[in-house]
Amino acid sequence: QKEVEQDPGPLSVPEGAIVSLNCTYSNSAFQYFMWYRQYSRKGPELLMYTYSSGNKEDGRFTAQVDKSSKYISLFIRDSQPSDSATYLCAMEGLGQGAQKLVFGQGTRLTINP
Amino acid sequence: DVKVTQSSRYLVKRTGEKVFLECVQDMDHENMFWYRQDPGLGLRLIYFSYDVKMKEKGDIPEGYSVSREKKERFSLILESASTNQTSMYLCASRPGSGSIYGYTFGSGTRLTVV
Repeated sequence: QKEVEQDPGPLSVPEGAIVSLNCTYSNSAFQYFMWYRQYSRKGPELLMYTYSSGNKEDGRFTAQVDKSSKYISLFIRDSQPSDSATYLCAMEGLGQGAQKLVFGQGTRLTINP
Repeated sequence: DVKVTQSSRYLVKRTGEKVFLECVQDMDHENMFWYRQDPGLGLRLIYFSYDVKMKEKGDIPEGYSVSREKKERFSLILESASTNQTSMYLCASRPGSGSIYGYTFGSGTRLTVV
């Protein structure tokens, strides 16, 4: 079983829709949770991060962490064609090996005009 | 802005060749990483380094080696390239562990081994 599971999609929605991207994980030591966005032929870029459980909002994006369920989500409101990309969740624990992140497979998202 | 620069965007090499992928970062980050990215498999860690001349194996180190002689440069070496090493290779760096210090990635090198 992978430490982090993410539905690879692809996911295709109309412009303006609310998008929900999700990851589940098995390692209860994970404390830091991130979302990366990767455009075609580019490297991933950090989009959002959260620490422990709770919500964090940044413009049209909301990151949500539920540690009791080992489940994290990224919501995109009023989705735009420019949001079309692959979204990767990533997480990290504390202690030994804490420098490296564990990534989900990535979900490929297309927003149709 | 932090920059991570990978020397080549596209490379085509022959089976058995020794291949060098170079990565340079300009923000004095301690930690550097090499990943490969394949459809359906996501990002897989090959090697990482937390200091000059220090290296640690990731999840899939077989067939690869690394070199970090200077803090800003981290090289990935394919000792004898094989077709199953055809992939997108991503270099990343970060200044330290903790939530605000995510990775900064380079743009990637798409390697084809024929």
